[in-house]
This record gives sequence, structure tokens and C-alpha cells, in this order.
Amino acid sequence: TQLLEQSPQFLSIQEGENLTVYCNSSSVFSSLQWYRQEPGEGPVLLVTVVTGGEVKKLKRLTFQFGDARKDSSLHITAAQPGDTGLYLCAGAPGNQFYFGTGTSLTVIP
Amino acid sequence: ETGVTQSPTHLIKTRGQQVTLRCSSQSGHNTVSWYQQALGQGPQFIFQYYREEENGRGNFPPRFSGLQFPNYSSELNVNALELDDSALYLCASSPRQGLGLGTEAFFGQGTRLTVV
Repeated sequence: TQLLEQSPQFLSIQEGENLTVYCNSSSVFSSLQWYRQEPGEGPVLLVTVVTGGEVKKLKRLTFQFGDARKDSSLHITAAQPGDTGLYLCAGAPGNQFYFGTGTSLTVIP
Repeated sequence: ETGVTQSPTHLIKTRGQQVTLRCSSQSGHNTVSWYQQALGQGPQFIFQYYREEENGRGNFPPRFSGLQFPNYSSELNVNALELDDSALYLCASSPRQGLGLGTEAFFGQGTRLTVV
């Protein structure tokens, strides 16, 4: 059982569509982070959410932290081919940093 | 660019051999963590080093071991390689022990290990 479960695991959409990726856990996190990873590269940090209920926007990306700080979502508006990649949520309930199971997004031109 | 560098970038080893992967952490960061990532999956935590001491370990057997040096660079050693050890190995550095509130982890580009 993974500490952080993401859904969906795979997502293939047309350019211009909207999508939402979910990250769920039974544990409470003081913060959650979202990363994007391209093939052959390490994950790159997109955002850190800290406060329950917090919403952060990064251009066309909207991140939300659940009120109970157990879950988070990433919404992408008008997806573009450049958004293609593996999206990972991550957090540290203790001293160890755990990643979610990952969502592989493909945006078709 | 994160300032975290890993070497080598690619490596092919034979089952039963030993391998050493290296990581130079970002300047000012005293904590290094290692992860194993299978294709299309999220990275799995191997262990973390803080000021040259192991500071947490994931569910990996003892043949996975590590070191951190006084300059905070780190090595990951894997003995008796198995086919399932084939993966991308990622190193991440952070500015302080533990990765709780507000702490960010910066990743290297990884080492792609193939065991044949």
C-alpha cells in the first residue's frame, strides 16, 4: 500500500482540454508538494501547499490542499503539449519524503 | 538547473556485480536522499543522510548502502545486483534535516542503471 495514491495513473487528452489529478492519503501532511518529471530527468518542483484548504495558481495550473491536509489536487486548464510528463505529489509525514504513485499525462496536439 | 549532479548518467552492470552511484548536493544543503524509480512509477525512498549519518531508511535490503562525505556529497552502493535493481536512481538534496513544512527537495537528473 502506497502512502500517497494518485489518480488517474494514465491520462491522454487533446490539446485545449482541462484535467484534474488527485493525490490522496490516510495520513496528515504538514505540507504537500507537486513535481513534474520529464523522461530521463529528475522531478522538478512545481509548488508547495502548506495550509489546509489552500489554493495556489501557477499560470494554467491550480493546486489545492484538502481541508484535512490528507489530499491534494492539480487542475490544468487548456492543456498544452508542453504539459506532457509524469506528475508526482510528495510529502513528509515524518522525516522521510514520500512520493505518490504518479500520473502520466500525455497531451496530444 | 538545480545544482545537484549525479554520475554516471547511464550504467550497465551484470547480475551479481556491485555498483557505486555518486551525487553532489546543492551548495549549502546538508541532507541527501536517494530514491529508486521504476519506469512510469513514483520514486521509492531508499534512505536519507544528514551530516554524514543515515537518518531514515525505506524498505530496501541491506545490500543497498550509502555514505555521505564531509562536503555533503553522497554515494549509493548496491551489492549483489539483481535484475529488478534496474531503475532510475535519483538523488535529492535539501537544506535541512527532514522534509517537513516548507522544505524543498532538489533532484539530480538521475542515473539509469540497467542490470543484465
